[in-house]
Amino acid sequence: GAVVSQHPSWVICKSGTSVKIECRSLDFQATTMFWYRQFPKQSLMLMATSNEGSKATYEQGVEKDKFLINHASLTLSTLTVTSAHPEDSSFYICSASGELAGYEQYFGPGTRLTVT
Amino acid sequence: EDQVTQSPEALRLQEGESSSLNCSYTVSGLRGLFWYRQDPGKGPEFLFTLYSAGEEKEKERLKATLTKKESFLHITAPKPEDSATYLCAVRGNSGGSNYKLTFGKGTLLTVNP
Repeated sequence: GAVVSQHPSWVICKSGTSVKIECRSLDFQATTMFWYRQFPKQSLMLMATSNEGSKATYEQGVEKDKFLINHASLTLSTLTVTSAHPEDSSFYICSASGELAGYEQYFGPGTRLTVT
Repeated sequence: EDQVTQSPEALRLQEGESSSLNCSYTVSGLRGLFWYRQDPGKGPEFLFTLYSAGEEKEKERLKATLTKKESFLHITAPKPEDSATYLCAVRGNSGGSNYKLTFGKGTLLTVNP
């Protein structure tokens, strides 16, 4: 199956700093990548969708200036949480989709962000 | 707006006790219904995609079925390692060309030895 990686797997940062999370598709070209956040015992909430080389499309209620998404290549997308605050603490998961992966969404292992 | 409701929220089974998880959905033009398994602290693992009513797919002890209003994930003779949260998601016409998914809240399955 298609493999998606995320880095880092967990990160702790101080309030007011920025954190970058990487999402990579390892064995297929991802024309579309998705970023989700998940609170404890809750389902996945889509934050934004990004297509390679284009600006990301954000879901309603998601601050685009706070959650910066870049999809510069067919194998890499990044999510930067700017000026992080404790309420941004969450589990962030990316997924990738592409033709050779049958356009299914394959998920990364997730990144646990804790803002102190 | 696409909607997905999963039931029950939690299910405890004894090893070998077969059961089913339910996923009810409303969607504008179904373009796929997906089942994922999620272990604690990890990303969802893809299990099945179903596209049309009457379709069935199997993988080991799991079998997914689809009607026009709901999908079932049947678990036959479960083992403790089947314990996980099972997520259902749909993709409809409102997702456009980006293949956006709408997820349910999941069913937490616990299989006791």
